[in-house]
This record gives sequence, C-alpha cells and structure tokens, in this order.
Amino acid sequence: AQRVTQPEKLLSVFKGAPVELKCNYSYSGSPELFWYVQYSRQRLQLLLRHISRESIKGFTADLNKGETSFHLKKPFAQEEDSAMYYCALSGTTGANNLFFGTGTRLTVIP
Amino acid sequence: SQTIHQWPATLVQPVGSPLSLECTVEGTSNPNLYWYRQAAGRGLQLLFYSVGIGQISSEVPQNLSASRPQDRQFILSSKKLLLSDSGFYLCAWSAGGERNTIYFGEGSWLTVV
Repeated sequence: AQRVTQPEKLLSVFKGAPVELKCNYSYSGSPELFWYVQYSRQRLQLLLRHISRESIKGFTADLNKGETSFHLKKPFAQEEDSAMYYCALSGTTGANNLFFGTGTRLTVIP
Repeated sequence: SQTIHQWPATLVQPVGSPLSLECTVEGTSNPNLYWYRQAAGRGLQLLFYSVGIGQISSEVPQNLSASRPQDRQFILSSKKLLLSDSGFYLCAWSAGGERNTIYFGEGSWLTVV
C-alpha cells in the first residue's frame, strides 16, 4: 500500500535561511511525486512534480529512490513562502489518484 | 481556461440530516473528478474518484456517496450525517488518463453538530 509521511507538522525558519520540508514515501511500484502548496486564503495548488525536474519559486525537490524521499528545499526562505505544504504520491493504478501526506505548515519569520 | 467550483463553502448540519455538496468543472471535457476530505489533524484523504459519467470508485468505506450525473458535475452526498463526517471537503479534477496534474476547488467546510 502507498503511504506518504511528512514528519513535521510545523516548521519555522527565519527569512533568508535555508528550508527543507521532509517527505518520505512507501510504494512498491514506480511512483510519481508531487508537492502541493496552499497559501493563506487560496486553494490548494501544484508547486512542482518530480518528473519536471524544475525549480518553482526557488524550490526544488529530488526524488531519492534509495531513501524513498522527496524533500522540498529552498536555499533562502522568503516571507511569502509561508504556507501549508503537502507531499503527494501518484501510483500506477487507478485514475490518477493522489495520496497525500499530513502536510507541513511553514512559517517564515521576518 | 478551465475552472472548478464547489459549493456551499461552509455548511453546518445537524446529526442525521442529509448532505449534498456540488462541484462543477468548466472548460474541459471528460475530466477525472475527485472528492477529498481533510479531517482535523489529518492529511487529505481520497474519498471518491470518477473517470466518466456514472462511474464512481470509492477508496474508503464510509457514510458518504458520490454521483456524477453529468460529465462535469460531481456530487457528494449523505443520507444521514454523523459527527465524524465533519471536515474540509475538496473537489478536484484532472485531464483524463493517468498522472496528470490535479486541480482543486476552493473547498467546503462541513460541521456536523
């Protein structure tokens, strides 16, 4: 069965400091991993997906199959990064179902 | 462009009353549709998904049901609400097929009292 674990419910960093939001997954096949973000008073939206290998708003995430991790990183946090972040996994069965972690609330302290 | 709307945004219902949350998608055809729930302190849980009209798959046993009477309409229902049904419900859509980006609606807060 698939599982996504985000060990930190809350994470606070100072502006300009590096930030890393942890995500570990469990899946027997070849998953696709995503990061979704929800800013205050906005809807949940896609931040990035591992197959795109791109940087969005300065964030990157590398899929580490050996460690079954997909941590989200940014070298210099900004106040506007404060939001709820969800790691999600899409397996190879079903109609594109996403399985979410419990989320990490990031607060960037000015 | 594609848009997704769900309503009502907030709802307070007594235990045992019925529920109907509605979701519509515009600007696309034959989308995959989803209902997710976020209970307090828990992650987003997939409740139902649909790949076409009248085709509903349930991920977890529960007190809720879903229907897709039209291509771009997805309804979440219950005949008798339980206290445990309280939570934040999200409708979502993606293009047909697998592993396409999922787009979420604004969400509906349900409080069962």
